[in-house]
Amino acid sequence: SQQGEEDPQALSIQEGENATMNCSYKTSINNLQWYRQNSGRGLVHLILIRSNEREKHSGRLRVTLDTSKKSSSLLITASRAADTASYFCATRGNYGQNFVFGPGTRLSVLP
Amino acid sequence: DAGITQSPRHKVTETGTPVTLRCHQTENHRYMYWYRQDPGHGLRLIHYSYGVKDTDKGEVSDGYSVSRSKTEDFLLTLESATSSQTSVYFCAIRLSGGRETQYFGPGTRLLVL
Repeated sequence: SQQGEEDPQALSIQEGENATMNCSYKTSINNLQWYRQNSGRGLVHLILIRSNEREKHSGRLRVTLDTSKKSSSLLITASRAADTASYFCATRGNYGQNFVFGPGTRLSVLP
Repeated sequence: DAGITQSPRHKVTETGTPVTLRCHQTENHRYMYWYRQDPGHGLRLIHYSYGVKDTDKGEVSDGYSVSRSKTEDFLLTLESATSSQTSVYFCAIRLSGGRETQYFGPGTRLLVL
């Protein structure tokens, strides 16, 4: 069963705008992570947020986690053309289960 | 990139032939994973390993087998390739010591005709 579901599936914005992507999941988690994938490349870890955290920042990235709604959001501020990529959320359960990835959001940042 | 390489990077094969993909890491990480990536599905776990000769099945393991005879190598074998196994295959490692981050290899594009 698929744990994470990103929303929207695709997002197109202008350079300088903010981009927000959402992830919903179904069962209790230990942590939730966001990864970026540039075209034709492997995934790159961006940020991890644990179930007892509500918000984390890393540079232009801001991640929030609402465990009551089983959802997370990734905000990229002041987007750049280089942010064009697919973004995936991945969840890990409380009992050492493996990671489960969502289908991803394709972000296009237009110059 | 945690020193992860995958080989081959591209392969075209015919239905019914065996195929082996190799994942190699240089930093002696304990946990290794094989995923496949298909449009609309994100990454799905095929098999994983938590040490030499210690492997287990993931979500989509049917038609695949793995072996890990050395810490640095994790092999994925398609015993008899089918067109449904056309995909991009990613290997990943996870750091030990309670760390949760996964590091991914560059991927192998497999086309089964």
